[in-house]
Amino acid sequence: GAGVSQSPSNKVTEKGKDVELRCDPISGHTALYWYRQRLGQGLEFLIYFQGNSAPDKSGLPSDRFSAERTGESVSTLTIQRTQQEDSAVYLCASSPSGELQTQYFGPGTRLLVL
Amino acid sequence: QQQVKQSPQSLIVQKGGISIINCAYENTAFDYFPWYQQFPGKGPALLIAIRPDVSEKKEGRFTISFNKSAKQFSLHIMDSQPGDSATYFCAASKGSGNTGKLIFGQGTTLQVKP
Repeated sequence: GAGVSQSPSNKVTEKGKDVELRCDPISGHTALYWYRQRLGQGLEFLIYFQGNSAPDKSGLPSDRFSAERTGESVSTLTIQRTQQEDSAVYLCASSPSGELQTQYFGPGTRLLVL
Repeated sequence: QQQVKQSPQSLIVQKGGISIINCAYENTAFDYFPWYQQFPGKGPALLIAIRPDVSEKKEGRFTISFNKSAKQFSLHIMDSQPGDSATYFCAASKGSGNTGKLIFGQGTTLQVKP
């Protein structure tokens, strides 16, 4: 079946602009995660959704970052007033109910803030 | 307590050789230890995972060795092939009632020379 998809695959923006990144999880997966991967680094957890609720937002680096999920499906990560340090690959993962730890990743959105 | 330390940062192995990547953790509440493989421009793909109730798990040429008392685990790639050249990440997660978020190591770039 189809895997996790993300769009856009690449995004170049100017400092101070807002950006929206989209994730379509695997159909039927109730859990959805966002991670950030800086160049040459490991992945950092940002936020976890169970259904449409986000019980763990502990990884969001500042109040410029927010995310929502609708219909227990698509999720959008929004970064307001982007800064150069926001440049990274933003990865989305989903997992089935009862197997939260078994996460399947999308290809990521490469964000470059000029 | 939440960190996972991975070594080496990079590794060069001859075709047919054994690649070994090591990870160490501090939090004894972690109960799930996956390894992910990432090719350039792609999202991480789940390779193999282990839980602390076993000391070794093998899938094809990939083996995880787990040492609970030392709080260490490692990935062994037997008969390494040029197609194995990628970045490998270890991770750890707390299950059972938690969010399932993964804590990642910093990654190891593996190059297998023909």
